[in-house]
Amino acid sequence: AQKITQTQPGMFVQEKEAVTLDCTYDTSDPSYGLFWYKQPSSGEMIFLIYQGSYDQQNATEGRYSLNFQKARKSANLVISASQLGDSAMYFCAMREALRSNDYKLSFGAGTTVTVRA
Amino acid sequence: NAGVTQTPKFRILKIGQSMTLQCTQDMNHNYMYWYRQDPGMGLKLIYYSVGAGITDKGEVPNGYNVSRSTTEDFPLRLELAAPSQTSVYFCASRVHGDSPLHFGNGTRLTVT
Repeated sequence: AQKITQTQPGMFVQEKEAVTLDCTYDTSDPSYGLFWYKQPSSGEMIFLIYQGSYDQQNATEGRYSLNFQKARKSANLVISASQLGDSAMYFCAMREALRSNDYKLSFGAGTTVTVRA
Repeated sequence: NAGVTQTPKFRILKIGQSMTLQCTQDMNHNYMYWYRQDPGMGLKLIYYSVGAGITDKGEVPNGYNVSRSTTEDFPLRLELAAPSQTSVYFCASRVHGDSPLHFGNGTRLTVT
């Protein structure tokens, strides 16, 4: 069963506006974490932001913030003041324990964001 | 600081050929991973390693093999290439705890 769901295959946003990318997850593990990665057209995977299940406050990194709602099992990424360079594919990924102190990332299918001038 | 380096960047294989995708990291990370990304999809874990001499299968290991003789290197071997292995392959590493994965730039493999 898919554990990470990104329901928006593609989005358009106007430059300087904010955009919210949806991510829902499913896990029975009380200890987990959610990551967001950006993949521009050049193909590399760039880490953006992380939120652990026990973190009390929503994570923020510059223009990126994570709207983490545990009861709804959602971890939406908010990009404020969009820039043309934000055009990329965005992946939500969940940390799942493999063994003591190791984990794997399970990825969603991604959301393509296109920023319009 | 080079980070995670993958070679080659591109490769075309004929069905049945073999090849090794190279991955090396200079960050002294214990944990290393191989993922594949099919067009328009997320990444799927092929193999992972928690340290030199230790490897384990991920979600989609069939048709691949790995070795981890040193902390730095984690090569991925394809023995009998099949069209289903056409994909982009990413190697990644991380240090410990909840640290994020650092990815290489990927190898785009086409099997025809």
